[in-house]
Amino acid sequence: KQEVTQIPAALSVPEGENLVLNCSFTDSAIYNLQWFRQDPGKGLTSLLLIQSSQREQTSGRLNASLDKSSGRSTLYIAASQPGDSATYLCAVTPPPIIKTSGSRLTFGEGTQLTVNP
Amino acid sequence: EAQVTQNPRYLITVTGKKLTVTCSQNMNHEYMSWYRQDPGLGLRQIYYSMNVEVTDKGDVPEGYKVSRKEKRNFPLILESPSPNQTSLYFCASSWTGALYEQYFGPGTRLTVT
Repeated sequence: KQEVTQIPAALSVPEGENLVLNCSFTDSAIYNLQWFRQDPGKGLTSLLLIQSSQREQTSGRLNASLDKSSGRSTLYIAASQPGDSATYLCAVTPPPIIKTSGSRLTFGEGTQLTVNP
Repeated sequence: EAQVTQNPRYLITVTGKKLTVTCSQNMNHEYMSWYRQDPGLGLRQIYYSMNVEVTDKGDVPEGYKVSRKEKRNFPLILESPSPNQTSLYFCASSWTGALYEQYFGPGTRLTVT
C-alpha cells in the first residue's frame, strides 16, 4: 500500500527566505505527483503536477522536483512571502494498469507553512 | 469561472438523520470524487466516479452512498450519520481520473452529535 510522508509537519520562516518542502512515497511505481496548497476554509488548489517521466516543473517562484527511483519530491519556494502561508500537500497517483487504478490519489498529511513579515 | 461548488459549507446534525452534501462542477469533467480530511489521517478517498452512472468505492466508503445521474453533479449521501463521520469533506473533479489536475471544492465541515 502506498504511503506518503511529508516532513516537516510545520515550518515557520521569515519573509524573503528560500525554502524546501519534502515529500516521500514508499512505492516508486507512480504515474504522477501533484503538489497542492490548502488555505483555511478553502479547498485545495493544484500548484504543480509532475509526470513520472519528468524531473521537475516550475511555476513562478515554485519549483517541484521528482526523483521517482528514490521515492522523493521537493517543492522549492523562492523568496517566500506572507501570502505563501498555507498548508502544502503532495499526492501521488498509481499508473493505470487496470481500468480504475489511475483513479486514486494518495495524499501526505501536509506541511503547514508560516511566512512571517 | 471554472469551479467546483459544494453545499452546505457547514452542517451540524444529529446521529441517524439522513443528509446529502451536494457537489457540482461546471467544467464538463468526467471524473468526480469525494474525500474526507481528518487530523492525523490526512485526506482519504470515499467514492469516485469515472463517468455518469459509473461509481466505485475508495478507501473509506463505509456509511456513505453516492450517485452520478448527471455529469455535473455528484452528491454524497449519509443515510444514518454517526459521530465518527464528523469531518471535513471535499469534492473534486478532473477530465479523466486522477491522472490529470484535480479541481477541489471549498469543503463541507460536518459535525454529527
